[in-house]
Amino acid sequence: GQQVMQIPQYQHVQEGEDFTTYCNSSTTLSNIQWYKQRPGGHPVFLIQLVKSGEVKKQKRLTFQFGEAKKNSSLHITATQTTDVGTYFCAGRGNQGGKLIFGQGTELSVKP
Amino acid sequence: DTGVSQNPRHKITKRGQNVTFRCDPISEHNRLYWYRQTLGQGPEFLTYFQNEAQLEKSRLLSDRFSAERPKGSFSTLEIQRTEQGDSAMYLCASSLEGAWDGYTFGSGTRLTVV
Repeated sequence: GQQVMQIPQYQHVQEGEDFTTYCNSSTTLSNIQWYKQRPGGHPVFLIQLVKSGEVKKQKRLTFQFGEAKKNSSLHITATQTTDVGTYFCAGRGNQGGKLIFGQGTELSVKP
Repeated sequence: DTGVSQNPRHKITKRGQNVTFRCDPISEHNRLYWYRQTLGQGPEFLTYFQNEAQLEKSRLLSDRFSAERPKGSFSTLEIQRTEQGDSAMYLCASSLEGAWDGYTFGSGTRLTVV
């Protein structure tokens, strides 16, 4: 079945450094979504990417969807302590329906 | 609308007992999803509904798990004969088919089987 892998599992950065997490799917995706989960919280939707090669920005966050629609990345520029949490990618296959989540990348930011 | 509501927030049960969780989605959302999350892992898909129809159920889910959404509004997830391996956070999410704003998750029900 469809699998979504994310790396790295953990990332510790100094405040002001950049951060990137990568997501790879075993199958072609119709779209990919990104979520953020704060410690003790629940996943919160950040963005959806649909088109091959799509790039979207939200302030310091840049999201990319690969040309083959099998991989994606999230890049945070100049991290802040408010960025702390676990970032999940979630892919939807061409059959539609459910999202399959990656294992997440836990980001910690040292002030 | 106050978002997706899940009850109870916490449930401690003895092995072998049955438990039932409830999810109230955002009222305009026609899709409802159940996921399970353990520490350090991403949400694992269990099942989802479109209106009252259960469209998909994970093959990983044993027959001890059942979910209903009788009137296309709230949903219940029942686990029969609980096992220690069922201990996890059970997350409910809802969405509107075709919308671009992703899933809205509830705060979850944390199940501990002792």
